[in-house]
Amino acid sequence: AQKVTQAQTEISVVEKEDVTLDCVYETRDTTYYLFWYKQPPSGELVFLIRRNSFDEQNEISGRYSWNFQKSTSSFNFTITASQVVDSAVYFCALSVANDYKLSFGAGTTVTVRA
Amino acid sequence: SQTIHQWPATLVQPVGSPLSLECTVEGTSNPNLYWYRQAAGRGLQLLFYSIGIDQISSEVPQNLSASRPQDRQFILSSKKLLLSDSGFYLCAWSSAGTSGSASSYNEQFFGPGTRLTVL
Repeated sequence: AQKVTQAQTEISVVEKEDVTLDCVYETRDTTYYLFWYKQPPSGELVFLIRRNSFDEQNEISGRYSWNFQKSTSSFNFTITASQVVDSAVYFCALSVANDYKLSFGAGTTVTVRA
Repeated sequence: SQTIHQWPATLVQPVGSPLSLECTVEGTSNPNLYWYRQAAGRGLQLLFYSIGIDQISSEVPQNLSASRPQDRQFILSSKKLLLSDSGFYLCAWSSAGTSGSASSYNEQFFGPGTRLTVL
């Protein structure tokens, strides 16, 4: 069975601070896929990124960056120079080969104060 | 481009009443479809998924059911709602895999959700 742990329940920062969200996963499969989603107050989940287990390259997209480390089973997400619009719940998720299901973490609520 | 619709956006229903939530996807064919529930406290629970018409799998035993009458339509139903059915219901789609295999590498795209309150 797959498991995703987001140990941080809530994070509050002041605008322009950096914030890092932790995600630790468990799976016995060697082929798996990791995802991050954002859920703003409106409720709709917005897809942010997908990472394959065989690609450990870190990725940067604007103010967002992701650090994938298989050695520690972690897929952490950093928001640089946070803005109020970044306030949301962020979910990390995992799927394995030939399984339709996404296993979600419990989510981390990020509040960015002006 | 693909879009996913859900309705209604909000719903208040008495205990024991029936339920029908609808989800439709546009701009793609033969998608995988999913129903999730998010109770207060934000955890996402997969309820049903479907890889084709009349191919529906249930993840959690409950008084809910799902149907897929058309390729891009997914319906969540209940004959009698319980208080515990309250929550935020999200529909999602993903591209189907090839040769019948699961497309676990394909990200899921979510609809705007339906907020259900059972009183």
